[in-house]
Amino acid sequence: QKEVEQDPGPLSVPEGAIVSLNCTYSNSAFQYFMWYRQYSRKGPELLMYTYSSGNKEDGRFTAQVDKSSKYISLFIRDSQPSDSATYLCAMSASNQGGKLIFGQGTELSVKP
Amino acid sequence: DAGITQSPRYKITETGRQVTLMCHQTWSHSYMFWYRQDLGHGLRLIYYSAAADITDKGEVPDGYVVSRSKTENFPLTLESATRSQTSVYFCASSESGRFSGNTIYFGEGSWLTVV
Repeated sequence: QKEVEQDPGPLSVPEGAIVSLNCTYSNSAFQYFMWYRQYSRKGPELLMYTYSSGNKEDGRFTAQVDKSSKYISLFIRDSQPSDSATYLCAMSASNQGGKLIFGQGTELSVKP
Repeated sequence: DAGITQSPRYKITETGRQVTLMCHQTWSHSYMFWYRQDLGHGLRLIYYSAAADITDKGEVPDGYVVSRSKTENFPLTLESATRSQTSVYFCASSESGRFSGNTIYFGEGSWLTVV
């Protein structure tokens, strides 16, 4: 079983929809939780970062971490065609020298 | 601001050949990483380096060799390429190894096909 599980999709939604992306994990040592966005033929870029449990909001994006359930989520409000990309969750424990464990990535398509 | 650059971006090679993927960063970041990305697996860490002359294995190191004689360069060598090493390879760098919010920056990727 993978340490981090993410539904690969693909996920297709109409413009303006609320998108929910999720990851589950098994390692209770993870404390740093990230969401990366990756456009086609590009490298991943950091979208959201959360330490430990709780919510974090940045514009149309909200990241949630529930450590008791080992479950993290990314919500995208008022989704736009420019949000079409692959979204990767990633996690790290504080003692892992910055090494990240990634989910498989969810491919999102927002249709105009 | 050049950031982090990878070369070549695209490479086709034959089974058994040696291939080196180059990575160069202009930020003087201490940490550098090599990941591979495959369908169904996301990104997996191959090797990482905490500083010049310090390297360590990641999750999938077999068949790969790295070196870091200079802070800014972190080449990845496939000593005898196999078809299972067909993948997209991403180099990344980070200012600190303690992930207290500092960002890990990724290069644009190197698409490698082994035939």
